[in-house]
Amino acid sequence: GENVEQHPSTLSVQEGDSAVIKCTYSDSASNYFPWYKQELGKRPQLIIDIRSNVGEKKDQRIAVTLNKTAKHFSLHITETQPEDSAVYFCAAYYGGSQGNLIFGKGTKLSVKP
Amino acid sequence: ETGVTQSPTHLIKTRGQQVTLRCSSQSGHNTVSWYQQALGQGPQFIFQYYREEENGRGNFPPRFSGLQFPNYSSELNVNALELDDSALYLCASSSAGNEKLFFGSGTQLSVL
Repeated sequence: GENVEQHPSTLSVQEGDSAVIKCTYSDSASNYFPWYKQELGKRPQLIIDIRSNVGEKKDQRIAVTLNKTAKHFSLHITETQPEDSAVYFCAAYYGGSQGNLIFGKGTKLSVKP
Repeated sequence: ETGVTQSPTHLIKTRGQQVTLRCSSQSGHNTVSWYQQALGQGPQFIFQYYREEENGRGNFPPRFSGLQFPNYSSELNVNALELDDSALYLCASSSAGNEKLFFGSGTQLSVL
């Protein structure tokens, strides 16, 4: 079945360093790849997304890259801050008009002051 | 805030009971999706509702059912609760044909 693999499961960085989270997907027809941030006890919040016709997208300290050939995409956070600490989920959309998002298992990011 | 609201926030049930969870979609959104998030896992797709009908379903048994109302709000019903049904249940709304989902805060269900 459809699958999204996410690595690493945990990531600890010093404040100011960069953090990179990587995901691979199985369905070559997937065309939409969002990233969600979930703080403890709160809802998943969409932080950035990318479509398959674009290779890279940036929003301030956050960027996402997509390699369609290799079927992987990555989240890059620069100049990390303690408030970036959360669980981050990648997802891939598949299934056309009746489609849905398949999520990775998440990466727990800890930013140490 | 995204505007998607869910109730109740927490619920405790015993095995074999039935439960109904509720969701109000964000203004302007006519599609509602339900996800189950087990502890330490990513959300898993249960089903989606559009125009008051089920419009796609994940790998969940028939005891998971739903409804969507004319105002686009939705219910998730789970019959014959099992211990493994303990999870955070998330509702997400979107506009038709748009993959971008906005989540509610979820209902934390505990089955004892």
